[in-house]
Amino acid sequence: DGGITQSPKYLFRKEGQNVTLSCEQNLNHDAMYWYRQDPGQGLRLIYYSQIVNDFQKGDIAEGYSVSREKKESFPLTVTSAQKNPTAFYLCASSIGVWETQYFGPGTRLLVL
Amino acid sequence: AQKVTQAQTEISVVEKEDVTLDCVYETRDTTYYLFWYKQPPSGELVFLIRRNSFDEQNEISGRYSWNFQKSTSSFNFTITASQVVDSAVYFCALSPLIQGAQKLVFGQGTRLTINP
Repeated sequence: DGGITQSPKYLFRKEGQNVTLSCEQNLNHDAMYWYRQDPGQGLRLIYYSQIVNDFQKGDIAEGYSVSREKKESFPLTVTSAQKNPTAFYLCASSIGVWETQYFGPGTRLLVL
Repeated sequence: AQKVTQAQTEISVVEKEDVTLDCVYETRDTTYYLFWYKQPPSGELVFLIRRNSFDEQNEISGRYSWNFQKSTSSFNFTITASQVVDSAVYFCALSPLIQGAQKLVFGQGTRLTINP
């Protein structure tokens, strides 16, 4: 079955800790994206990657970092510099930069 | 600046009623895409439709229909004969072409509740 997987489903972060959210796709899509969703709000773009070894900042990149070493994988690290990390994080991918984005099931990040 | 406004925060109707979700957008681009996504309680966004700025034809897919009017910058979504399974948060999104990449700009969503 082709699709996008995100893990874990729930993640707890302690103060000052970096945590990494996983996003994997087996759709052979070139482009991948990370969004953040706060309660009662729409999604906001954190980072995106059009091809392997390349990525660009979105609208709210501060406190986050990404890597794109493999086509299938686009992990997101929430660093200790992100002061308000509690949110629902969604990963998406698309065949190409102008194609429809399809979303994974999301990871809910909570701060202890 | 790009902006999407979904003025209806919450809508509640009884099953089998028709319901329309409004979406108004702002952009200076002449080439752009408009989308609707559904977010059920599980959280995953489900793609419903994509429309490009040059195609103003209305579209119907089963009980779903979309009305795109460039003159009023609106892209409204109608569910006919609503069902309980339609209960979800619905997002309208705009995708201008910025530096060769697609960056979705989302509205705040409309929470639709269909009561039996």
